[in-house]
Amino acid sequence: EAEVAQSPRYKITEKSQAVAFWCDPISGHATLYWYRQILGQGPELLVQFQDESVVDDSQLPKDRFSAERLKGVDSTLKIQPAELGDSAMYLCASRQTGTQETQYFGPGTRLLVL
Amino acid sequence: DAKTTQPPSMDCAEGRAANLPCNHSTISGNEYVYWYRQIHSQGPQYIIHGLKNNETNEMASLIITEDRKSSTLILPHATLRDTAVYYCIVKITGTASKLTFGTGTRLQVTL
Repeated sequence: EAEVAQSPRYKITEKSQAVAFWCDPISGHATLYWYRQILGQGPELLVQFQDESVVDDSQLPKDRFSAERLKGVDSTLKIQPAELGDSAMYLCASRQTGTQETQYFGPGTRLLVL
Repeated sequence: DAKTTQPPSMDCAEGRAANLPCNHSTISGNEYVYWYRQIHSQGPQYIIHGLKNNETNEMASLIITEDRKSSTLILPHATLRDTAVYYCIVKITGTASKLTFGTGTRLQVTL
């Protein structure tokens, strides 16, 4: 069964450092999402791509976060500089284009900022 | 997207049916009810969704009231592996739609 791949699974960094997360969606899925999940809360959308275009980045803290999906396939989420409050699980999800399609999530990257 | 209300936690004995309620009193006519679950330290997993008819798949059943203001997810024979946080989400389908998660219901299945 096809799955969404994410790496790394765990990342420990010091504040003010740069970090990057990678996501490879299910083949053929045009829509890709990055969510952030703080411990004890549900995931919150950071950015949504349709192919290589950003559809929604209203909740992305653009002063330090950036996301790209240059060829409309895999995607990278970057934080620079990292802050203590960025410690969270970063989840990637993908979806086929359609009206009732569901989102499939990867295993996530757990980030700890010291 | 409409807001949902779920109990923060529930317990269920293994082998019994787990009935997880969700209120979505402000749901609009073009919003679907989706259920996802998240097992500890994993990404959310799709379970089931529906518009107004009851739905069943290999994982669960979804019962939606006639007025669509509430729904119940039923796991017919809960196992220890069903211990997870269950999220009820209502959303409009379409290319711009996103999942808006609440805090969900933490289901603990016990021996």
